[in-house]
Amino acid sequence: QQQVKQSPQSLIVQKGGIPIINCAYENTAFDYFPWYQQFPGKGPALLIAIRPDVSEKKEGRFTISFNKSAKQFSLHIMDSQPGDSATYFCAATLPYGQNFVFGPGTRLSVLP
Amino acid sequence: NAGVTQTPKFQVLKTGQSMTLQCAQDMNHNSMYWYRQDPGMGLRLIYYSASEGTTDKGEVPNGYNVSRLNKREFSLRLESAAPSQTSVYFCASSDDRGPSRGYTFGSGTRLTVV
Repeated sequence: QQQVKQSPQSLIVQKGGIPIINCAYENTAFDYFPWYQQFPGKGPALLIAIRPDVSEKKEGRFTISFNKSAKQFSLHIMDSQPGDSATYFCAATLPYGQNFVFGPGTRLSVLP
Repeated sequence: NAGVTQTPKFQVLKTGQSMTLQCAQDMNHNSMYWYRQDPGMGLRLIYYSASEGTTDKGEVPNGYNVSRLNKREFSLRLESAAPSQTSVYFCASSDDRGPSRGYTFGSGTRLTVV
């Protein structure tokens, strides 16, 4: 019940495309859902996060869509660029929790 | 630059050898964490420390020990390295403020056990 599932494992899009990465969870007590971006040889970095009382959050070209009833959330990257090529991790945590449960990651390649 | 600093960046060990991975943060965060990252498995929590003087086991603590030396430093020790511990290790610290909590990760230590 602590697991976060993530798909696809890898994704290739052309520049300007809109890659979508999906995550699903079981534990309805999770209350905070961040996404992390990781470039090769670097540590993950917080990209954007959402709480379940909001259905959508946008920051620049990155949007999280949240479906509480389906226990699913997704990351959309608008007008994707080659510089967005990275591995993306979704995560979840409990109220007042300090430990995040991470999905297995999606390797995104944006072709020029 | 503010952030989380890990040393060393790369290490090769022989089976049975011991070593300590060092981590320090300068953001005055209370909580610190050690994760390992393996292909297809994401990030798995080894140990964490919610505050100076406290440590707790995570999902995969076997074969590891930790020390929260002070508020800034959190080290991970492998007493007798095994090939299964070949991985990339990340230290992280977190701002415990509820609305925007999140991790700041170090750049990782790539460990190979032969």
